[in-house]
Amino acid sequence: AQTVTQSQPEMSVQEAETVTLSCTYDTSENNYYLFWYKQPPSRQMILVIRQEAYKQQNATENRFSVNFQKAAKSFSLKISDSQLGDTAMYFCAFMRGDTNAGKSTFGDGTTLTVKP
Amino acid sequence: ETGVTQSPTHLIKTRGQQVTLRCSSQSGHNTVSWYQQALGQGPQFIFQYYREEENGRGNFPPRFSGLQFPNYSSELNVNALELDDSALYLCASRPGTRETQYFGPGTRLLVL
Repeated sequence: AQTVTQSQPEMSVQEAETVTLSCTYDTSENNYYLFWYKQPPSRQMILVIRQEAYKQQNATENRFSVNFQKAAKSFSLKISDSQLGDTAMYFCAFMRGDTNAGKSTFGDGTTLTVKP
Repeated sequence: ETGVTQSPTHLIKTRGQQVTLRCSSQSGHNTVSWYQQALGQGPQFIFQYYREEENGRGNFPPRFSGLQFPNYSSELNVNALELDDSALYLCASRPGTRETQYFGPGTRLLVL
């Protein structure tokens, strides 16, 4: 069974600064996907960024980038130039490469507050 | 917006009752997964439907059941409601076996 751990229940950052959210996971699989999702208060969960485990290059999406360390089973999210709209709960999630299984395993989330 | 819709948005039931939650997938998405998200926690996988058949299930009892229809919309049914069933229920759709799934806004269920 896979587990996902987010060790920072809450974090805050000043607007325009950079923040890093941590995530570790445990799996015996070699082929899998990792995701960061954003869930704003009372709004839909949306995908922020995705990483394929077989790719060594870290994924980036505009101000969002990841540091994927496969051997250490670590998958952190860096948000650059933080904006007020980044305030949300952020979830790290794991999905096996056999995507027929469908199951995503989520961490318990990090609540990020961006302060003006 | 992801194109995935859920109804109702909120629901209050009493212990022992039954409830049906509905999900309309994004166009072209034939795989639907359901998750339970308790307050302050991450979503927990309930089950997945692909082409109208359940093809994956998490650690939830049989009183959690589902359906997927030919138009790929889906239902989650929960029988004999318990207080611990109070949660946000999310559905997520994706095309076939692609890994990226798109979430609906959720149905918030309160069991009294």
